[in-house]
Amino acid sequence: GIQVEQSPPDLILQEGANSTLRCNFSDSVNNLQWFHQNPWGQLINLFYIPSGTKQNGRLSATTVATERYSLLYISSSQTTDSGVYFCAVAGFGNEKLTFGTGTRLTIIP
Amino acid sequence: ETGVTQSPTHLIKTRGQQVTLRCSSQSGHNTVSWYQQALGQGPQFIFQYYREEENGRGNFPPRFSGLQFPNYSSELNVNALELDDSALYLCASSTASGRVFYNEQFFGPGTRLTVL
Repeated sequence: GIQVEQSPPDLILQEGANSTLRCNFSDSVNNLQWFHQNPWGQLINLFYIPSGTKQNGRLSATTVATERYSLLYISSSQTTDSGVYFCAVAGFGNEKLTFGTGTRLTIIP
Repeated sequence: ETGVTQSPTHLIKTRGQQVTLRCSSQSGHNTVSWYQQALGQGPQFIFQYYREEENGRGNFPPRFSGLQFPNYSSELNVNALELDDSALYLCASSTASGRVFYNEQFFGPGTRLTVL
């Protein structure tokens, strides 16, 4: 099955800093989603981005499907950005999302 | 628009018991997927339901079973609970049309199951 790797596994930043999270995947995908998991376990949809670039406020994402990676950018980090960020993909003809192991982001005031 | 809801929020069972978890899909969605998330790991796909039938299954034993109802809500049943079944169980809903199942999935808040 498709493999998903996320880096870095952990990231600690001061409030106001910028960060880049990376997601590599091993095969062509029809679906790529970025999620933020809050401390209570809720997965919050950030982006649905199988290809191209999207922006939403301080967050933006880019997926280069031909090179099999996606990047999530967080600018001017706030303490509320802390949590685990997951990338998940679905391959062609496949109904399931395969998740990476996540990046744990900690924003220090 | 109502989001994905799950019940109960928390559940404690003992080994060997059976459990039923429930999920109501987001308004307008017709497909429900279930995932298991063990502590410190990413969610793992259990199975998906579309048109009240199982449409794909992950690497989980038959004691994990499910149902989808005409209103698109769903149940996850786990028989003969084991200690390793302790996890956060997440339900996701999406819209499928024809044989296209890779549309955006939206997750509920989860049910945290503890097996003692």
